[in-house]
Amino acid sequence: KQEVTQIPAALSVPEGENLVLNCSFTDSAIYNLQWFRQDPGKGLTSLLLIQSSQREQTSGRLNASLDKSSGRSTLYIAASQPGDSATYLCAVGGNQFYFGTGTSLTVIP
Amino acid sequence: DAGITQSPRHKVTETGTPVTLRCHQTENHRYMYWYRQDPGHGLRLIHYSYGVKDTDKGEVSDGYSVSRSKTEDFLLTLESATSSQTSVYFCAITPREGEPLHFGNGTRLTVT
Repeated sequence: KQEVTQIPAALSVPEGENLVLNCSFTDSAIYNLQWFRQDPGKGLTSLLLIQSSQREQTSGRLNASLDKSSGRSTLYIAASQPGDSATYLCAVGGNQFYFGTGTSLTVIP
Repeated sequence: DAGITQSPRHKVTETGTPVTLRCHQTENHRYMYWYRQDPGHGLRLIHYSYGVKDTDKGEVSDGYSVSRSKTEDFLLTLESATSSQTSVYFCAITPREGEPLHFGNGTRLTVT
């Protein structure tokens, strides 16, 4: 069974800082990896999807990378803003999606 | 936003009663999923569907059943609710494997 780990569980940074969130997985036989954002009491919003054949994807201030061989993905957030405060989850897609428990990000004004 | 509606948004029920949660989509997507989200466990797959009347179990399917009689509706039934099924339930959809998952806003279920 695929195991997905996200470290740290919580992160607090001052506004404007660049930051990296980590996601690791145990089985490299994946179809894709997806990053989500979840605000309190809300559903998950898709941020980026990286196919297994890709190395990275970018959307605005977000950049996600994938290294299948080492079982790692990172989500880079540039110039963080208070509105980025949320929980970020990664999900690894094989025959089904497996989720990490998330990193709770707080950006301090 | 993907057109996904979950109902009800909140429900409180008693142990032993049956409960049905509904997921309705307007995207005509083939794949639909039910997840539960619990502190410390992340999201775990309960059941999924890959077409009308085609369903399969996820990793935490015990105590749950599903039905999909139309493309747009995926129902999750707790046959006899237990306190361990207190959770937030999310529906997700995708048109095909390899495409992004899109989620509904969830149903918060409390079993007393």
